[in-house]
Amino acid sequence: DAKTTQPNSMESNEEEPVHLPCNHSTISGTDYIHWYRQLPSQGPEYVIHGLTSNVNNRMASLAIAEDRKSSTLILHRATLRDAAVYYCILMGSGTYKYIFGTGTRLKVLA
Amino acid sequence: EAGVAQSPRYKIIEKRQSVAFWCNPISGHATLYWYQQILGQGPKLLIQFQNNGVVDDSQLPKDRFSAERLKGVDSTLKIQPAKLEDSAVYLCASSLARGENEKLFFGSGTQLSVL
Repeated sequence: DAKTTQPNSMESNEEEPVHLPCNHSTISGTDYIHWYRQLPSQGPEYVIHGLTSNVNNRMASLAIAEDRKSSTLILHRATLRDAAVYYCILMGSGTYKYIFGTGTRLKVLA
Repeated sequence: EAGVAQSPRYKIIEKRQSVAFWCNPISGHATLYWYQQILGQGPKLLIQFQNNGVVDDSQLPKDRFSAERLKGVDSTLKIQPAKLEDSAVYLCASSLARGENEKLFFGSGTQLSVL
């Protein structure tokens, strides 16, 4: 299973953009990049996913490097409710297994 | 749309006792997953079902853990006998199908404490 590397923790000020990095140097050509987040005392929730092109939705944007060896989740204006653990996961065709790492704990400062 | 339902929310047992967790996925979702999340770690996949068949149980400790998904809808995960190291949150998730483009929907989990 392809692995991802994320910083253990990050801090951001409220109302400012947040860029959460993820390295996945062993990604294969058919692996999708998924992001989930886990709020305290809840199960993880879907944030965004993509294959090659940058993606936007109402929650966030996903910027994928041209060589696909890294990606960045962008929260455009962090709020206190965005404080969570963010997981970057590779989903490969054929395995369909979501393998979670330890994620990045995001702290948002008021 | 109703989400993934899990029960109980909390469970406290003594070691060597047995325990069962129940999960009702989103209606129409063919794929169901059970994860174990130990405090401070990311969720660890235990077993994956496609309808009522097991497609991956490579990480399930089969000497004490068992799971079933009768009729391809609800699922139960059982631990017998429980050990102290089984203390964790057990998360159930479902997706419409198996695929690299599918989203997972998680329940709130069952928090198990083994004393």
